[in-house]
Amino acid sequence: EIVLTQSPGTLSLSPGERATLSCRASQGVGSNYLAWYQQKPGQSPRLLIYGASIRATGIPDRFSGSGSGTDFTLTISRLEPEDFAVYYCQHYDGSRVMYTFGQGTKLEIK
Amino acid sequence: QVQLVESGGGLVKPGGSLRLSCGASGFAFSDYYMNWIRQAPGKGLEWLSWISGSGSTIYYADSVKGRFTISRDNSRKSLYLQINSLRAEDTAVYYCAREPSGRWYGFLDYWGQGALVTVSS
Repeated sequence: EIVLTQSPGTLSLSPGERATLSCRASQGVGSNYLAWYQQKPGQSPRLLIYGASIRATGIPDRFSGSGSGTDFTLTISRLEPEDFAVYYCQHYDGSRVMYTFGQGTKLEIK
Repeated sequence: QVQLVESGGGLVKPGGSLRLSCGASGFAFSDYYMNWIRQAPGKGLEWLSWISGSGSTIYYADSVKGRFTISRDNSRKSLYLQINSLRAEDTAVYYCAREPSGRWYGFLDYWGQGALVTVSS
């Protein structure tokens, strides 16, 4: 079973700064099956990125995803106040039909 | 617009059972795979179960196999999760989520607002 490890656990930045969030898989995964979600307090998760780098409908272009193999990155180019939230990466194992989530990175205002 | 609305959550005693429902609207329900995911208080996301569009194929996380049963009624545009032998560690918000079934899949593009299940005596 693939384990996703996100780092850092908490990231403290100011609006306008660039955020770089990491997701490392315990073994190589197909890029097609790596997604990122944003979750704000009291809300359900919101899909940001799928296929490692494809923005979901309505997601601002300040959000970008990259990576392959075992290392994936979510970058927020210039933080807006509404971007402070918890971010999860997710992998889908098509051979077993199974989803795995990382433990999350909390992006907080510095 | 796409909407998923969970219901059926509440306070249940250990050992009890519960059935969660998820009503769908705004899309062709039977064309999509559906999933249940939960989130314990202050914790991360845990995938629980997957069901095909027809309901003929089902998968579960090992942690819930044997106690949880996913099902769907396409005529009612509804998804269900039957949870038996509830334990304190099942306390969580339970989300239903849609998975696309086209060229791109393996991610969850719409989520419900969640249903809180609390297991306590």
